[in-house]
Amino acid sequence: NAGVTQTPKFRILKIGQSMTLQCTQDMNHNYMYWYRQDPGMGLKLIYYSVGAGITDKGEVPNGYNVSRSTTEDFPLRLELAAPSQTSVYFCASSYMGRSNEKLFFGSGTQLSVL
Amino acid sequence: KQEVTQIPAALSVPEGENLVLNCSFTDSAIYNLQWFRQDPGKGLTSLLLIQSSQREQTSGRLNASLDKSSGRSTLYIAASQPGDSATYLCAVLNTGGFKTIFGAGTRLFVKA
Repeated sequence: NAGVTQTPKFRILKIGQSMTLQCTQDMNHNYMYWYRQDPGMGLKLIYYSVGAGITDKGEVPNGYNVSRSTTEDFPLRLELAAPSQTSVYFCASSYMGRSNEKLFFGSGTQLSVL
Repeated sequence: KQEVTQIPAALSVPEGENLVLNCSFTDSAIYNLQWFRQDPGKGLTSLLLIQSSQREQTSGRLNASLDKSSGRSTLYIAASQPGDSATYLCAVLNTGGFKTIFGAGTRLFVKA
C-alpha cells in the first residue's frame, strides 16, 4: 500500500544544474500537485494536474516544469537550479469527484542548491 | 485570490489543556477544508476534512468546525498530550480551478 512515492529524499545541486523530482501514486487519483515548503512557512503550490495530459500553473511556477503522461506519474523538472529553489518539495494527490476526498502527501524531497 | 491565515503561529500549552487553533480564509467558494498534521522532517497527514455543506467533523480528541459564510474554521484539541506536538496546517480547496491553498500553520508544543 505505497500511496504517494517521491524520489529522491535528499539532493544537493550546484547552481545551473538540472534535475527531475519523481512522483508516483498508486491510488488511481486524477488530481496531482507539487508544493514547496520553505522553513517556517506553509506550502506554496507550484503546478497541478487534473488528469493525464492536463497541467496548470500554481502560485509559484517560475523555474519549474511538469508533465503528466500517465495517471500515476507527475514529475517536476528544474532546468537551471538557483539558490532560491532550495526548499522541501512535496507531491500530493487526490480523487476529485467527491467533496469528501482527502489529499495524500508523499514524504518530501529536501533540495539544496549551492 | 484565496488567502488562508492561521493564528497563532506558535502555541505552547501544558499537558491536559484543551486548545483551539484558528484558520481564516478570504474566499468562501470552497469545496472543502482540511486540517493536516506535520511532524518535523515529515510529510503531511490529513486529520479531518469538512465538506462545504458541513459544519463540523470529529475524530477522537479532535473536532473541526467550519463557518463558510464568515470564512473561519477552528480545530479543537481536547486533553492535549505531548504526542500532539507538531505543526497543524489548514487548507482549503477552491471550487474555481480546484487548487488547494494552505495556511502557514500553527506550531504546537505540549509540555509534559
